[in-house]
Amino acid sequence: GAVVSQHPSWVICKSGTSVKIECRSLDFQATTMFWYRQFPKQSLMLMATSNEGSKATYEQGVEKDKFLINHASLTLSTLTVTSAHPEDSSFYICSAKTRTYEQYFGPGTRLTVT
Amino acid sequence: GENVEQHPSTLSVQEGDSAVIKCTYSDSASNYFPWYKQELGKGPQLIIDIRSNVGEKKDQRIAVTLNKTAKHFSLHITETQPEDSAVYFCAAYYDYKLSFGAGTTVTVRA
Repeated sequence: GAVVSQHPSWVICKSGTSVKIECRSLDFQATTMFWYRQFPKQSLMLMATSNEGSKATYEQGVEKDKFLINHASLTLSTLTVTSAHPEDSSFYICSAKTRTYEQYFGPGTRLTVT
Repeated sequence: GENVEQHPSTLSVQEGDSAVIKCTYSDSASNYFPWYKQELGKGPQLIIDIRSNVGEKKDQRIAVTLNKTAKHFSLHITETQPEDSAVYFCAAYYDYKLSFGAGTTVTVRA
């Protein structure tokens, strides 16, 4: 299957700072990328859909000014958590969709806000 | 929106036995149904998928069946091995995105 990378794999930051997470599709071009959040022992919660060259579409209840998404190219999307607080601590996972529906996930980023 | 229900939430099987996970979806317009395996601390891995114009698909020990009329699809794992222990998610593609089931924790007992 196709490979999606995510960086960093884990990060610890202080409350009030911002953190950027990168998601790359390594061997295919992804016109659409997705960002998910996952709490322990729960399913994947879609935060936003990111299309290359256009503004991200956020799911209901997700603060777009807090979770900034940029899809700068067909292989790169970034998620920036601004002014992070302890309640933002979570496992963040990106995915990239091929032109034929298949969606491949990155390895995830564990964010801890202290 | 699309609603996907997944059962059971936990499944314990003896090594070598079969495991079956079932999912139902609500919107008949859904046309693509992937299954993912997620190991602890990792991202989900696509293990098999099926499109709405196909009733069954098999890949070695894994198979998926789809009943469009009843709006349900199932994952079958035969000859289970300890490395099959993980959380499995079903999903349905609708409105340009995937809707996920709640997940099934599969434990294969040696």
